[in-house]
Amino acid sequence: GEDVEQSLFLSVREGDSSVINCTYTDSSSTYLYWYKQEPGAGLQLLTYIFSNMDMKQDQRLTVLLNKKDKHLSLRIADTQTGDSAIYFCAEIYSGNTPLVFGKGTRLSVIA
Amino acid sequence: SQTIHQWPATLVQPVGSPLSLECTVEGTSNPNLYWYRQAAGRGLQLLFYSVGIGQISSEVPQNLSASRPQDRQFILSSKKLLLSDSGFYLCASQGDRGREQYFGPGTRLTVT
Repeated sequence: GEDVEQSLFLSVREGDSSVINCTYTDSSSTYLYWYKQEPGAGLQLLTYIFSNMDMKQDQRLTVLLNKKDKHLSLRIADTQTGDSAIYFCAEIYSGNTPLVFGKGTRLSVIA
Repeated sequence: SQTIHQWPATLVQPVGSPLSLECTVEGTSNPNLYWYRQAAGRGLQLLFYSVGIGQISSEVPQNLSASRPQDRQFILSSKKLLLSDSGFYLCASQGDRGREQYFGPGTRLTVT
């Protein structure tokens, strides 16, 4: 089946770490993605991870993948007010199939 | 990386009027192209995707249609808009390696 689940809201204080979680159901997913959407804008590709990896780090972003539990997370270190946005998790099975998106997690950063 | 252009950025149209939204892509060739709709600032609904010129797959039955007249051009159309067609329309392109999908800036459509 194709289903990606995310919690709808997350609120953190500026300077703290944020962890956004995602679960997916199809173990044959090849790549998993995180996108950021600011108000009124398109989606910005933040990072993605190949399914045979368990971690990827890119500056303040750390992606963890637990393939056994089909769980993906995005950790944002030292969260800033500019990180306030909706974050979408997505998965893909092959290059010619559409991405399957979660409904997005709205991150609010409190100064 | 790719650049995706969408226009217009915003559009207000009366019910029953036609629609044409355009998407063009730079920086890649033979991309997979997608149209999504986003209602109320939340989840994405995949409307159409295309793996090549003239090849369109429809994900949901509705009064919208899509066409791909050129390799890097994707058009979303309607002959008669409904109130329920209001939303934020996003075009996306999946590049040469098939891993990265990039989005355009979107078109905000309000049907009155």
